[in-house]
Amino acid sequence: DADVTQTPRNRITKTGKRIMLECSQTKGHDRMYWYRQDPGLGLRLIYYSFDVKDINKGEISDGYSVSRQAQAKFSLSLESAIPNQTALYFCATSDFYYNEQFFGPGTRLTVL
Amino acid sequence: DQQVKQNSPSLSVQEGRISILNCDYTNSMFDYFLWYKKYPAEGPTFLISISSIKDKNEDGRFTVFLNKSAKHLSLHIVPSQPGDSAVYFCAATHPGNTGKLIFGQGTTLQVKP
Repeated sequence: DADVTQTPRNRITKTGKRIMLECSQTKGHDRMYWYRQDPGLGLRLIYYSFDVKDINKGEISDGYSVSRQAQAKFSLSLESAIPNQTALYFCATSDFYYNEQFFGPGTRLTVL
Repeated sequence: DQQVKQNSPSLSVQEGRISILNCDYTNSMFDYFLWYKKYPAEGPTFLISISSIKDKNEDGRFTVFLNKSAKHLSLHIVPSQPGDSAVYFCAATHPGNTGKLIFGQGTTLQVKP
Protein backbone atom coordinates (compact mmCIF):
# COMPACT_ATOMS: atom_id res chain seq x y z
CA ASP A 1 0.00 0.00 0.00
CA ALA A 2 1.12 3.55 -0.74
CA ASP A 3 2.57 5.48 2.19
CA VAL A 4 0.94 8.78 1.13
CA THR A 5 -2.47 8.67 -0.52
CA GLN A 6 -4.55 11.42 -2.03
CA THR A 7 -8.24 11.52 -2.93
CA PRO A 8 -9.63 12.17 -5.41
CA ARG A 9 -7.01 11.55 -8.09
CA ASN A 10 -8.91 13.61 -10.64
CA ARG A 11 -11.63 16.21 -10.20
CA ILE A 12 -13.45 18.51 -12.57
CA THR A 13 -15.53 21.23 -11.00
CA LYS A 14 -17.13 24.56 -11.81
CA THR A 15 -16.22 28.08 -10.79
CA GLY A 16 -17.57 28.96 -7.37
CA LYS A 17 -17.85 25.39 -6.06
CA ARG A 18 -16.26 24.28 -2.80
CA ILE A 19 -13.73 21.51 -3.19
CA MET A 20 -11.83 19.42 -0.64
CA LEU A 21 -8.73 17.41 -1.42
CA GLU A 22 -7.70 14.82 1.13
CA CYS A 23 -4.35 13.38 2.09
CA SER A 24 -3.58 10.45 4.36
CA GLN A 25 -0.21 8.99 5.35
CA THR A 26 0.97 5.85 7.08
CA LYS A 27 4.59 6.93 7.46
CA GLY A 28 4.07 8.25 10.99
CA HIS A 29 5.50 11.64 10.05
CA ASP A 30 4.51 14.75 11.95
CA ARG A 31 5.09 17.20 9.09
CA MET A 32 2.69 17.49 6.17
CA TYR A 33 2.61 19.83 3.19
CA TRP A 34 0.37 20.85 0.29
CA TYR A 35 1.90 21.95 -3.03
CA ARG A 36 0.58 22.84 -6.43
CA GLN A 37 2.43 22.24 -9.67
CA ASP A 38 1.93 24.44 -12.71
CA PRO A 39 3.80 24.10 -16.01
CA GLY A 40 7.03 26.10 -15.91
CA LEU A 41 6.62 27.03 -12.25
CA GLY A 42 7.66 23.87 -10.45
CA LEU A 43 6.19 23.01 -7.07
CA ARG A 44 4.93 25.84 -4.92
CA LEU A 45 4.02 25.49 -1.24
CA ILE A 46 0.42 26.29 -0.31
CA TYR A 47 0.25 25.31 3.38
CA TYR A 48 2.24 23.21 5.80
CA SER A 49 1.70 21.70 9.23
CA PHE A 50 4.30 20.45 11.69
CA ASP A 51 1.78 18.86 14.04
CA VAL A 52 -1.96 18.71 14.58
CA LYS A 53 -2.07 22.12 16.28
CA ASP A 54 0.37 23.84 13.94
CA ILE A 55 -0.79 25.26 10.58
CA ASN A 56 1.26 27.67 8.50
CA LYS A 57 0.77 29.51 5.23
CA GLY A 58 3.11 28.86 2.37
CA GLU A 59 3.95 31.15 -0.52
CA ILE A 60 0.60 30.87 -2.31
CA SER A 61 -2.08 30.35 0.37
CA ASP A 62 -4.66 32.86 -0.90
CA GLY A 63 -7.89 31.14 -1.90
CA TYR A 64 -7.04 27.97 0.04
CA SER A 65 -7.58 26.67 3.56
CA VAL A 66 -6.44 23.51 5.32
CA SER A 67 -7.42 21.24 8.17
CA ARG A 68 -5.17 18.83 10.08
CA GLN A 69 -7.69 16.36 11.44
CA ALA A 70 -5.11 13.97 12.86
CA GLN A 71 -1.40 13.26 12.59
CA ALA A 72 -2.12 11.16 9.51
CA LYS A 73 -4.65 13.41 7.74
CA PHE A 74 -4.28 16.80 6.12
CA SER A 75 -7.01 18.28 3.91
CA LEU A 76 -6.88 21.17 1.47
CA SER A 77 -10.03 23.16 0.66
CA LEU A 78 -10.86 25.59 -2.07
CA GLU A 79 -13.80 27.56 -0.67
CA SER A 80 -14.82 29.01 -4.01
CA ALA A 81 -12.87 27.50 -6.88
CA ILE A 82 -11.66 29.68 -9.76
CA PRO A 83 -10.17 28.64 -13.11
CA ASN A 84 -6.61 29.69 -12.24
CA GLN A 85 -6.65 27.08 -9.49
CA THR A 86 -6.56 24.44 -12.19
CA ALA A 87 -3.35 22.54 -11.42
CA LEU A 88 -1.78 19.38 -10.07
CA TYR A 89 -1.92 19.24 -6.28
CA PHE A 90 0.50 17.20 -4.21
CA CYS A 91 0.56 16.30 -0.56
CA ALA A 92 3.88 15.49 1.07
CA THR A 93 5.17 14.37 4.44
CA SER A 94 8.49 14.49 6.24
CA ASP A 95 10.10 13.44 9.46
CA PHE A 96 11.33 16.06 11.90
CA TYR A 97 14.97 15.05 11.60
CA TYR A 98 15.30 14.82 7.81
CA ASN A 99 14.82 17.19 4.91
CA GLU A 100 13.51 14.60 2.46
CA GLN A 101 9.82 14.86 1.74
CA PHE A 102 7.65 11.99 0.51
CA PHE A 103 4.94 12.82 -1.98
CA GLY A 104 1.52 11.42 -2.73
CA PRO A 105 0.46 10.58 -6.29
CA GLY A 106 -1.26 13.92 -6.84
CA THR A 107 -4.73 15.22 -7.62
CA ARG A 108 -5.42 16.75 -11.03
CA LEU A 109 -7.97 19.51 -10.48
CA THR A 110 -9.73 21.29 -13.32
CA VAL A 111 -11.91 24.31 -12.60
CA LEU A 112 -14.17 25.25 -15.48
CA ASP B 1 11.75 35.95 -6.78
CA GLN B 2 12.84 32.50 -7.95
CA GLN B 3 15.47 31.39 -5.44
CA VAL B 4 16.07 28.07 -7.18
CA LYS B 5 16.27 28.07 -10.96
CA GLN B 6 16.45 25.34 -13.54
CA ASN B 7 17.02 27.28 -16.73
CA SER B 8 16.75 24.37 -19.14
CA PRO B 9 13.12 23.26 -19.50
CA SER B 10 14.12 20.15 -21.43
CA LEU B 11 17.07 17.93 -22.29
CA SER B 12 17.38 15.10 -24.80
CA VAL B 13 20.16 12.51 -24.53
CA GLN B 14 21.03 9.27 -26.27
CA GLU B 15 20.86 6.07 -24.26
CA GLY B 16 24.22 5.22 -22.73
CA ARG B 17 25.48 8.80 -22.76
CA ILE B 18 25.76 11.19 -19.83
CA SER B 19 22.83 13.41 -18.80
CA ILE B 20 23.70 16.63 -16.98
CA LEU B 21 20.92 18.58 -15.34
CA ASN B 22 21.71 21.98 -13.90
CA CYS B 23 20.34 24.08 -11.08
CA ASP B 24 21.26 27.56 -9.83
CA TYR B 25 20.30 29.21 -6.57
CA THR B 26 20.47 32.71 -5.20
CA ASN B 27 20.11 32.28 -1.43
CA SER B 28 23.52 31.77 0.19
CA MET B 29 21.77 30.47 3.31
CA PHE B 30 20.79 27.22 1.57
CA ASP B 31 22.74 24.36 3.11
CA TYR B 32 21.00 21.23 1.81
CA PHE B 33 20.02 20.37 -1.72
CA LEU B 34 17.86 17.59 -3.12
CA TRP B 35 16.92 16.17 -6.50
CA TYR B 36 13.53 14.65 -7.17
CA LYS B 37 12.34 12.66 -10.17
CA LYS B 38 8.75 12.73 -11.38
CA TYR B 39 7.04 10.40 -13.82
CA PRO B 40 3.68 11.34 -15.40
CA ALA B 41 0.67 10.63 -13.16
CA GLU B 42 2.93 10.05 -10.15
CA GLY B 43 4.22 12.19 -7.32
CA PRO B 44 7.86 13.31 -7.17
CA THR B 45 10.22 10.76 -5.64
CA PHE B 46 13.43 11.58 -3.83
CA LEU B 47 16.55 10.75 -5.83
CA ILE B 48 19.69 12.11 -4.19
CA SER B 49 20.79 14.92 -1.91
CA ILE B 50 23.89 16.81 -0.85
CA SER B 51 24.86 18.87 2.14
CA SER B 52 26.72 22.13 1.67
CA ILE B 53 29.70 20.72 3.57
CA LYS B 54 30.32 18.41 0.59
CA ASP B 55 30.96 19.09 -3.06
CA LYS B 56 29.99 15.69 -4.41
CA ASN B 57 27.63 12.85 -3.55
CA GLU B 58 27.31 9.68 -5.55
CA ASP B 59 24.66 6.96 -5.58
CA GLY B 60 25.02 4.39 -8.32
CA ARG B 61 24.51 6.04 -11.70
CA PHE B 62 23.59 9.36 -10.08
CA THR B 63 26.07 11.97 -8.88
CA VAL B 64 25.31 15.44 -7.60
CA PHE B 65 27.98 18.13 -7.67
CA LEU B 66 27.79 21.33 -5.65
CA ASN B 67 29.75 24.49 -6.43
CA LYS B 68 29.00 26.86 -3.55
CA SER B 69 31.01 29.77 -4.89
CA ALA B 70 28.99 29.69 -8.10
CA LYS B 71 25.75 28.80 -6.30
CA HIS B 72 25.32 25.97 -8.75
CA LEU B 73 24.57 22.28 -8.54
CA SER B 74 24.29 19.63 -11.18
CA LEU B 75 22.97 16.09 -11.43
CA HIS B 76 24.92 13.66 -13.60
CA ILE B 77 23.35 10.42 -14.78
CA VAL B 78 25.79 7.92 -16.27
CA PRO B 79 24.92 5.93 -18.27
CA SER B 80 21.51 7.32 -19.13
CA GLN B 81 18.71 4.81 -19.64
CA PRO B 82 15.28 5.21 -21.27
CA GLY B 83 13.68 4.65 -17.85
CA ASP B 84 15.37 7.84 -16.66
CA SER B 85 13.04 9.87 -18.89
CA ALA B 86 11.14 12.03 -16.42
CA VAL B 87 10.90 15.53 -14.99
CA TYR B 88 13.72 16.35 -12.56
CA PHE B 89 13.30 18.97 -9.85
CA CYS B 90 16.06 20.40 -7.71
CA ALA B 91 15.16 21.75 -4.28
CA ALA B 92 16.95 23.56 -1.48
CA THR B 93 16.50 24.38 2.17
CA HIS B 94 18.30 25.91 5.14
CA PRO B 95 17.94 25.65 8.92
CA GLY B 96 15.96 28.87 9.11
CA ASN B 97 13.48 27.48 6.61
CA THR B 98 11.91 25.18 9.20
CA GLY B 99 11.61 22.10 7.05
CA LYS B 100 10.37 23.80 3.91
CA LEU B 101 11.82 23.03 0.48
CA ILE B 102 12.16 25.57 -2.32
CA PHE B 103 11.80 23.90 -5.72
CA GLY B 104 13.09 24.80 -9.14
CA GLN B 105 10.85 24.77 -12.21
CA GLY B 106 11.91 21.33 -13.34
CA THR B 107 13.75 19.92 -16.38
CA THR B 108 12.19 17.28 -18.60
CA LEU B 109 14.77 14.65 -19.55
CA GLN B 110 14.19 12.42 -22.56
CA VAL B 111 16.56 9.51 -23.05
CA LYS B 112 16.32 8.13 -26.56
CA PRO B 113 16.98 4.43 -27.22
